[in-house]
Amino acid sequence: EDKVVQSPLSLVVHEGDTVTLNCSYEVTNFRSLLWYKQEKKAPTFLFMLTSSGIEKKSGRLSSILDKKELSSILNITATQTGDSAIYLCAAYNTDKLIFGTGTRLQVFP
Amino acid sequence: NAGVTQTPKFQVLKTGQSMTLQCAQDMNHNSMYWYRQDPGMGLRLIYYSASEGTTDKGEVPNGYNVSRLNKREFSLRLESAAPSQTSVYFCASSEGTGLHYGYTFGSGTRLTVV
Repeated sequence: EDKVVQSPLSLVVHEGDTVTLNCSYEVTNFRSLLWYKQEKKAPTFLFMLTSSGIEKKSGRLSSILDKKELSSILNITATQTGDSAIYLCAAYNTDKLIFGTGTRLQVFP
Repeated sequence: NAGVTQTPKFQVLKTGQSMTLQCAQDMNHNSMYWYRQDPGMGLRLIYYSASEGTTDKGEVPNGYNVSRLNKREFSLRLESAAPSQTSVYFCASSEGTGLHYGYTFGSGTRLTVV
């Protein structure tokens, strides 16, 4: 059975801290790994990773895929209160996304 | 604004009642999906439609039916609602399957079954 596991489930930090969110997957016909940010409503797209070892960056966020270890990490540096959200990892096979349970990040001033 | 529109945004049902959640997209996407999100469970796929005229079961299809009415619309029906179906439901669409083009999500329907 396909599955995506995220850790930690919840994280509380202070502004300025750096956080690392983890995602591991066991998915048949794996094609790509995606990260989404979910605040109050619908998830919004952050990154899509298809190649191992190539870091993707967007401002203070970065992510990398390790196909050998079947895992990915999402890093957020110099966190801000606006980073507070649920971060979802999802693995894409040939026709659908399989989501993890998410990591709830709370950033306090 | 272009995107995925879900209706209604909120709904309260009594056990045993039926209802249909509507979803429409105006991006000419081929594929559409219904997910449910429960606390601590992430997003779980209920049904999806890879293209107009096709539908397939996802991870948690029991108690639901779907209809891909046309390319734009993909509805989710609860024939006899149960408290276990209390959840937030998200519809999503993408250009196609086989290569990931990115999902666009609707804003969700919060359903409570009492």
